[in-house]
Order: sequence, then C-alpha cells, then structure tokens
Amino acid sequence: GEDVEQSLFLSVREGDSSVINCTYTDSSSTYLYWYKQEPGAGLQLLTYIFSNMDMKQDQRLTVLLNKKDKHLSLRIADTQTGDSAIYFCAETHQAGTALIFGKGTTLSVSS
Amino acid sequence: GAVVSQHPSWVICKSGTSVKIECRSLDFQATTMFWYRQFPKQSLMLMATSNEGSKATYEQGVEKDKFLINHASLTLSTLTVTSAHPEDSSFYICSARAIMLGRMNTGELFFGEGSRLTVL
Repeated sequence: GEDVEQSLFLSVREGDSSVINCTYTDSSSTYLYWYKQEPGAGLQLLTYIFSNMDMKQDQRLTVLLNKKDKHLSLRIADTQTGDSAIYFCAETHQAGTALIFGKGTTLSVSS
Repeated sequence: GAVVSQHPSWVICKSGTSVKIECRSLDFQATTMFWYRQFPKQSLMLMATSNEGSKATYEQGVEKDKFLINHASLTLSTLTVTSAHPEDSSFYICSARAIMLGRMNTGELFFGEGSRLTVL
C-alpha cells in the first residue's frame, strides 16, 4: 500500500537551517504537503507542491521534490524557537481525497 | 483561509457513555470531510471519509458501529464514539475539502483543531 516515511527527530540551533526529509512510495502522488502541528493543536498547512514542480519557495520555506526518487524535503531557513513542532509530510494522488501522512518529524530548536 | 471548527476541544467521559464530536466548516461548503485519529507521538490515521447526504466510507479495521459518522449538511459532520472505552482515548481530527468557486483547487484539506477524548 501507500506509505510515507520521515525521520522522527531533528535538532538544530536557532538561526541554522533545518531540512526535514520525506519519502513516499505512491508513484501516482500528485499533491504533496507539509503540515505543522504544535503541541495539543491541530494541523496547519505550511506549503504544498504539485508533482510537476521541482521546487517551491515561500519566504523561509523551500520545498524540493525529486519525483524520480520519490523524495520530498522541507528546508526552513533561519530556524527560530517558534518553529519547534512536529512536521508532517502528506501525499495524495487526487485533489481533495484523503491524505496519507508520514509519522511526523519532531523539530527541536535550541537557542 | 478556510476555517474548520471542532467541538469540543477536550472531553472526558466515563466508560460506556457515548461522545459526539462536531466538525464544522465555517466559511465554505464541504461535500467531503475526513476523520482522523492520532495516538500520542504517532501520525494521523484515516478513520473514515464522510460525504454529505450519503453513508460514510470506513477504513479497514475501523468499526462503523463504534464510530458513527453523520454528514447531514454541507457544513457539518459529526463523529459519535459509542460506548466509549479507555482504548478509545485519542486525539480526533477532522478535515474538510473546500470547493472554491473560481479558484483552482489544490487538493488542500483544512483541518480542525482536534478533539482530545479521555475515557475513564
């Protein structure tokens, strides 16, 4: 079945860049998303990318997609303590259908 | 952006009672809503897909008689955990697909803030 894998933890210093990686197995994935979840809260959509794109940049966030390797990454520039959260990678092959989530990467930012 | 509201945010109940969680799309219509369950330190697991005016589609392993889903209108879906037991304690999150007229649909799902259920 479809599967989305992420590393579980990432620890960085404030001001450094963070790179969170994700791999997926569904070759028909069309939409790929990054969500942020702060403790006790719901999910906040950070950004998304279509499978026909290689890169998308949105302020401090850069998403890279390697469709051949089915690899997605999220780079957060100038990481701040407020960026500490769990980041989920998710994919779907059809707009509006249920998303398949990875287990989430806990980002810890130290000052 | 589109807002999805869940209620209640927190609920504690006794074992054997039923609990209803509401999911509302506040500023858009949602023909489809999804219910997820999240265990501590784990990912979100899709429980069921709720379609307005029709029966919900449940994922394998999810008891439909245990988790009753009703999507009676384009802005409201409810999840009722019947005869709740401690193992049903979890974080339940709904999400809705927004149909935006005149805008390209990106497939984006909007999530509620989640409802934490604790069954004693």
